[in-house]
Amino acid sequence: EVQLLESGGGLVQPGGSLRLSCAASGFSFSIYAMSWVRQAPGKALEWVSAFTANPVTKYYTDSVKGRFTISRDNSKSTLYLEMDSLRADDTAIYYCVRDPWGAHFDYWGQGTPVTVSS
Amino acid sequence: QPVLTQSPSASASLGASVKLTCTLSSGHSTFAIAWHQQQPDRGPRYLMKLNSDGSHVKGDGIPDRFSGSSSGAERFLTISSLQSEDEADYYCQTWGTGIWVFGGGTKLTVL
Repeated sequence: EVQLLESGGGLVQPGGSLRLSCAASGFSFSIYAMSWVRQAPGKALEWVSAFTANPVTKYYTDSVKGRFTISRDNSKSTLYLEMDSLRADDTAIYYCVRDPWGAHFDYWGQGTPVTVSS
Repeated sequence: QPVLTQSPSASASLGASVKLTCTLSSGHSTFAIAWHQQQPDRGPRYLMKLNSDGSHVKGDGIPDRFSGSSSGAERFLTISSLQSEDEADYYCQTWGTGIWVFGGGTKLTVL
């Protein structure tokens, strides 16, 4: 059974940092592209960042470029999102998603909430 | 880059059918999309990947009541025999060069 378990969310002050983790199980993590998707309160889903497996490439939405860093540890089947210089508009639930086709998501984690507020 | 357009809301009666639409922007009419469902206060769930020819790959455990079809730049999600638990937000999603894109979502109300 495919499982994606996010952790690391919480309350942080503007300008602060957080590191999200996504522990994957039930599939060969290393061969899949993975992404982070977020949802601000009452808003639509928004793709944040992707880490493709073949070729190995990282992508970011414009609003987080230079502030967020995606990484993965295939030996631990874990995806990460390092978030720096956090702003109020980064407040959202952050979901880890699997992408078997390099284009479309097929499994979602339960999400971890991030609140940026003083 | 592709843009996905969805109507903000839709409604249908319990036991009836409803057809939701996701429209791809000009120049992207051959793109496949994925449909995702988000029930109230829950995380999203993958429903299906839908190709331009109407063929689709459903997620695990998705009932036969959910089906997909395509026509030109439009991608459809049809839900038949509507149940109360089908009341949810429905998002379409696709990919462009280096970006992944969501539609704005359709809120489905089951009357």
